[in-house]
Parts: sequence; C-alpha cells; structure tokens
Amino acid sequence: GIQVEQSPPDLILQEGANSTLRCNFSDSVNNLQWFHQNPWGQLINLFYIPSGTKQNGRLSATTVATERYSLLYISSSQTTDSGVYFCAVTTTSGTYKYIFGTGTRLKVLA
Amino acid sequence: SQTIHQWPATLVQPVGSPLSLECTVEGTSNPNLYWYRQAAGRGLQLLFYSVGIGQISSEVPQNLSASRPQDRQFILSSKKLLLSDSGFYLCAWSGRGTQYFGPGTRLLVL
Repeated sequence: GIQVEQSPPDLILQEGANSTLRCNFSDSVNNLQWFHQNPWGQLINLFYIPSGTKQNGRLSATTVATERYSLLYISSSQTTDSGVYFCAVTTTSGTYKYIFGTGTRLKVLA
Repeated sequence: SQTIHQWPATLVQPVGSPLSLECTVEGTSNPNLYWYRQAAGRGLQLLFYSVGIGQISSEVPQNLSASRPQDRQFILSSKKLLLSDSGFYLCAWSGRGTQYFGPGTRLLVL
C-alpha cells in the first residue's frame, strides 16, 4: 500500500521563526489534507490540497502531485502552533480510506 | 454547519468489561464515517469506516467492532476490553474529500 512519510519528525522553533514541513507519498493520490493536532488532542483541519497552493493567514501549503510531495509552511510561528502536524491522503484504489503520515511534532518556544 | 459529537470524553474501564463509544454527526447527510485509534505519542490507526447504514469496513480485526444503526451515528464496541485497547479514540466524517474529526475519547483500561 501507499507509504506516507513526514519530515522532520521533531522540530523546535523560537517564536517568530518560519518553518517548512514536508509530506512525501509513494503513490498517486486524489485527496490530501493537512491537520494540526493541538496539545489537547483535537485534530484541526488546516488544508484540503490535492494539488496547487493555498494560503490561510500565516499558514500556506503546496502540493506537487506529479512529484508526490506536499509542503506546509508556517511563518512567524507562535506558541499556539505547537502540536503535531499530520498529512493524510487517499488514493484512487482506496478512495474512502485516509492514510495518515507519521507526523511532525512542533514545539514553539516563547 | 456540520458538527460531530463524541462521548464520553474520558473513560476508565477494567479489563474484561464491555465498551460502547458513540459518535454522531449533525448538519450533513450520508457522510462517510470513521473510527481511529491513537496510542500515546503515535500516529492514527484506522479501525473502521462506513460509507452507508449497515456498511462497515474493518481495518483491524479481533477485539473491536463497529456499527452504523442510523445515517449519522457510528458506534464502536467491544465485548471484553484488553489492556492493549487503551488509547485515544477519534471519530471522523468526510464529505467532498475533506475529513473532520470529533473531540475524541480517552480510554484507559486497567
């Protein structure tokens, strides 16, 4: 089945710094989402981005489906950005099944 | 707008006791529904998904089962809990390729 790997696995930033999180996938996908899991466990939907680029405030994401990767950019990071970031994909062979990546654990220091 | 509810928020159960976790979705019809489990510090494991009433696909065999008695209700059950069933259980629904998560249930089996 498809493999979804995220890098880096852990990231520590000083408040105000920028960062790039990466999601690589081993097969063609028809859906891709980025989630933020806050310290209380809630999974928050950041982007639905099977291709192209989207921006929402300090966050933006780019998916290059032909090269099988997606990037999540966080600019001017804040302590509230701390948590775990997951990407999740579905494939044409398993349209209803979301395969989650390994996650990037981000800690932003004040 | 759509809302997803899960209860209880936390649960402590003895080994060998039964389990019933409930998830309901409001504001949408015929959603795809999902149960995930997350061990501490780990990623999300898909347990079950459902594309319609009475239609359940299992990704994890053995001790857990799921049912969908109504369009927007998804129930996770076990007849006898094991220590290894401890974890964070998340319900989700999807529509138009986007997945949304409930607040989760923290289960501790002692």
